[in-house]
Formats: sequence, structure tokens, C-alpha cells
Amino acid sequence: AQSVTQLGSHVSVSEGALVLLRCNYSSSVPPYLFWYVQYPNQGLQLLLKYTTGATLVKGINGFEAEFKKSETSFHLTKPSAHMSDAAEYFCAVSNQAGTALIFGKGTTLSVSS
Amino acid sequence: SQTIHQWPATLVQPVGSPLSLECTVEGTSNPNLYWYRQAAGRGLQLLFYSVGIGQISSEVPQNLSASRPQDRQFILSSKKLLLSDSGFYLCAWDSSGNTIYFGEGSWLTVV
Repeated sequence: AQSVTQLGSHVSVSEGALVLLRCNYSSSVPPYLFWYVQYPNQGLQLLLKYTTGATLVKGINGFEAEFKKSETSFHLTKPSAHMSDAAEYFCAVSNQAGTALIFGKGTTLSVSS
Repeated sequence: SQTIHQWPATLVQPVGSPLSLECTVEGTSNPNLYWYRQAAGRGLQLLFYSVGIGQISSEVPQNLSASRPQDRQFILSSKKLLLSDSGFYLCAWDSSGNTIYFGEGSWLTVV
């Protein structure tokens, strides 16, 4: 069975500071890994995904994530936070058969000026 | 391009009343379709998924049901709503690329 753990339900940073949102996964097969962002009262938008190949994945809005198999992690980072980054972020895992995603419980990112 | 439509966006229903949330996808054929529920502080919970017309898999036993009468239509229903059914419901789809795309969601408040 697959599972995802997002460490920290709330993360607060100052504008311009580094953003680090942590995600660890459990999977008995090589995983596909995703980060989604949800702005208030909206659906989820894909930020980035890892399937195979390069372990450092770049996404939209300046975000990137690195797949580390030895640490079973897929942490999301952004060098400099903007106020517009305030949202809820979800890490998710699926297997290569393409069945439904399993989501973490989400991390709310707050950005202060 | 592919689009996903979900409605109604907001719904307030009394306990014991029926429910119907509808989702349609355009621009693709034979998508996998999903219903997720997002309750406050509980993340995203997969409710149902469908790989084809009339094929529904339920992930969580509950008061809800799903149907797929057409290739790109997915309906979430209930005969009698409970207070615990309140939440934000998200329809989603994918094809062979393993990337799931979400609708804008439907807020359901059961009173």
C-alpha cells in the first residue's frame, strides 16, 4: 500500500524567505510523485510531478522538488516566497499502473510581509 | 484542450435530502474519473473512481454512491444526506499520463 506524510500542517515564512514543504512517502513499487496547490475555494492545480528520469523536478511559479529514494522524500522548495504563494499544498503518490492518487493531509503556507 | 466542469459550485441541503453533483470532462476520450472529498483538517479522501462507463470502484463505505452513465460524465449521489457529508467535493480526471486534473469543486453544507 502507498501512503504520504506531510510534515507540518502549517508553515509560515516571510516574503523573500526560502519555502520548504516536507513530504515523505511509502511505496512498495517505484512511485510517481506529485505536488498540487489549492488556493482558497478553488480546485487543485498541479505544480510539478516526478515519474522517471531526473530527480530534480521544476514546476510552475518557481517551485521545484527533489526525489530522494534513499530518504523516501519529495520535498517542495522555492528560493524566495511571494505573498501570492499563500495556499494549501498537497503531496501525492501513485503507482505506475496509474491508479488513483493518494494524498497527504496538506500543508498550509502563510507568507507575511 | 481538455476541460472539466463540475456543478453546482455551492449547495446547502437539509439532513435527509438527496444529493446530485455532476461532473463532465471535455476534450478527451475514456478518461479515468474520480470523486474526492475534502473535509476540514482531513486532507483529500478518495471516494470513487471509474475506469469506464458503468465501472465504479468505491474506496470508502458511506452514504454516497457514484454513477457513470456516459464516457465523460460522472455523478455523485446520495439518497439521504447526513451532517457528516458536508465538505468540499472535487471531481478529477486523468488519461494515461498519471497526472490528475481537478475541477473547481463543490461546497456542500448539510444543515
